Amino acid sequence: GENVEQHPSTLSVQEGDSAVIKCTYSDSASNYFPWYKQELGKRPQLIIDIRSNVGEKKDQRIAVTLNKTAKHFSLHITETQPEDSAVYFCAASPPGTASKLTFGTGTRLQVTL
Amino acid sequence: GAVVSQHPSRVICKSGTSVKIECRSLDFQATTMFWYRQFPKKSLMLMATSNEGSKATYEQGVEKDKFLINHASLTLSTLTVTSAHPEDSSFYICSVQQGWTEAFFGQGTRLTVV
Repeated sequence: GENVEQHPSTLSVQEGDSAVIKCTYSDSASNYFPWYKQELGKRPQLIIDIRSNVGEKKDQRIAVTLNKTAKHFSLHITETQPEDSAVYFCAASPPGTASKLTFGTGTRLQVTL
Repeated sequence: GAVVSQHPSRVICKSGTSVKIECRSLDFQATTMFWYRQFPKKSLMLMATSNEGSKATYEQGVEKDKFLINHASLTLSTLTVTSAHPEDSSFYICSVQQGWTEAFFGQGTRLTVV
């Protein structure tokens, strides 16, 4: 089955700096890669996603890049703000569904003033 | 997107008892729902795929007799943790598949077994 690895496990940045979180996946058939933000005790919230026919996607301060050949994808957050502090999970899903997700291990992002 | 409601949000039960968790798709008929488990400060692990009108598909290592899943209607899937033990304490969360779109999650259920 699919295996998703995520790094780093914790990340501390100063407000205004950029944050980058990286994930690798094992199943070359996976073709949907969402990123979720989860606050303590809450449900995961989708912040951005990318499909395998696209190499990069951007939404305001958030961007995701995908390298299918290397089987890795990254989340980039620019101009970080304190409210960006949360746990971020990458995930991968096989063809035909966007909901059967294999999650990465999570990155705890702390944005300091 | 789909609105998913999970109930209860928190439950405390005694060891040996069973607990039922409901996952409802409020505005969408879901033939497939997914159940995840999350330990504190850990990732979400897929437990099973709930299929309306048929048996659930369990991931490797998940005991189907321990975690009973029923998907009797297009809007409701239930997860019953049977003969609960303290090690079953966890955050359980469901998601709904709406075609080829993002996953929509319930708000989760924090189960504490004492």
